Amino acid sequence: QKEVEQDPGPLSVPEGAIVSLNCTYSNSAFQYFMWYRQYSRKGPELLMYTYSSGNKEDGRFTAQVDKSSKYISLFIRDSQPSDSATYLCAMSSGGGNKLTFGTGTQLKVEL
Amino acid sequence: DVKVTQSSRYLVKRTGEKVFLECVQDMDHENMFWYRQDPGLGLRLIYFSYDVKMKEKGDIPEGYSVSREKKERFSLILESASTNQTSMYLCASSSPGRREYDNEQFFGPGTRLTVL
Repeated sequence: QKEVEQDPGPLSVPEGAIVSLNCTYSNSAFQYFMWYRQYSRKGPELLMYTYSSGNKEDGRFTAQVDKSSKYISLFIRDSQPSDSATYLCAMSSGGGNKLTFGTGTQLKVEL
Repeated sequence: DVKVTQSSRYLVKRTGEKVFLECVQDMDHENMFWYRQDPGLGLRLIYFSYDVKMKEKGDIPEGYSVSREKKERFSLILESASTNQTSMYLCASSSPGRREYDNEQFFGPGTRLTVL
């Protein structure tokens, strides 16, 4: 069993839809939770960052962490074609900056 | 802005060749990482380095080695390339404790390596 599980998709939604992306994990030591966005033929870029449990909102993006369920989510409101990308969850227990990544979910937002 | 650059975007090599992938970061980061990215497998850590001349094995180090002679440069070496090393290779860097987002890694654009 992988430490981090993520549905690879692809996920196709119409413009303006609310998108929900999720990851589950097994390592209870994880404290830092991140979402990276990767456009085609580019390196991943940090999109959202959350420490421990709770919610964080940034514009159209909301990240949620539920440590009791070992479950994290990324919500995208009013999705746009420019949101079409692969979204990778990543997490860390802290010291050492080692990240464990999910496999990524490919999202396509269609006009 | 942090910039991580990789020496090549696309590379084609033959089985048995020695391959060097170079990564340079310009923000004085202590930590540097090499990943490979494959469909359905995500990013897998090959090697990482916390300081000059220091290296640690990641999850899949077999068939690879690394070199870090200068703080800004981290090289990945495939001693004898094989077809199962065809992949996207991503370099990243980070600096613990200096940023609001500790653990954030900054990635280069990647090198797509094909081994024939």
